Amino acid sequence: DGGITQSPKYLFRKEGQNVTLSCEQNLNHDAMYWYRQDPGQGLRLIYYSQIVNDFQKGDIAEGYSVSREKKESFPLTVTSAQKNPTAFYLCASSIRGGPGQGSSTDTQYFGPGTRLTVL
Amino acid sequence: QKEVEQNSGPLSVPEGAIASLNCTYSDRGSQSFFWYRQYSGKSPELIMSIYSNGDKEDGRFTAQLNKASQYVSLLIRDSQPSDSATYLCALYSGGYNKLIFGAGTRLAVHP
Repeated sequence: DGGITQSPKYLFRKEGQNVTLSCEQNLNHDAMYWYRQDPGQGLRLIYYSQIVNDFQKGDIAEGYSVSREKKESFPLTVTSAQKNPTAFYLCASSIRGGPGQGSSTDTQYFGPGTRLTVL
Repeated sequence: QKEVEQNSGPLSVPEGAIASLNCTYSDRGSQSFFWYRQYSGKSPELIMSIYSNGDKEDGRFTAQLNKASQYVSLLIRDSQPSDSATYLCALYSGGYNKLIFGAGTRLAVHP
């Protein structure tokens, strides 16, 4: 069964605590992405990785960190520096990253998401 | 000007009618266009992708792309209550090297 998995489904963070969100894919996709969604708003890109051992900041990277040690995995750490982390976090993957090819390799598929709440 | 604009809605249509969702964009270099459906509390699900001008049909869904006028639309024929969701327009911007999302249009199909 191919797809993208995220864990946990719900996560609660205390003030000053770092937490890590898991994202795994078995689609053999090169590129992986992390988005944040706030109520009533669109998706905002946090970080993305086009290839193993390489990643780039998105539009709202401050207070977040990532790693890409394996093709299948792209964990996101929400650090204590992120002052307003309560949101729905979505991981996605695509066959290729980089400039738009005008083809199906641009298509991003999403995991089920992790809902993070600050206590 | 926002990069991808959608009417937030809600767009309310009766069951069986055609729902028309529209999206305009600013980057003329965009090559790939997508429509995602998102149910409340769930992740986005790909509905349609379109890469060239014209219409693309898949079942009850038709995507329409007009690059000269910089808009992309999604038509849903024979709308069902199960189609009630938020529909996100997204495009791959060559200038920004990433997928850019609109804020979404909420569709409500009433019996």
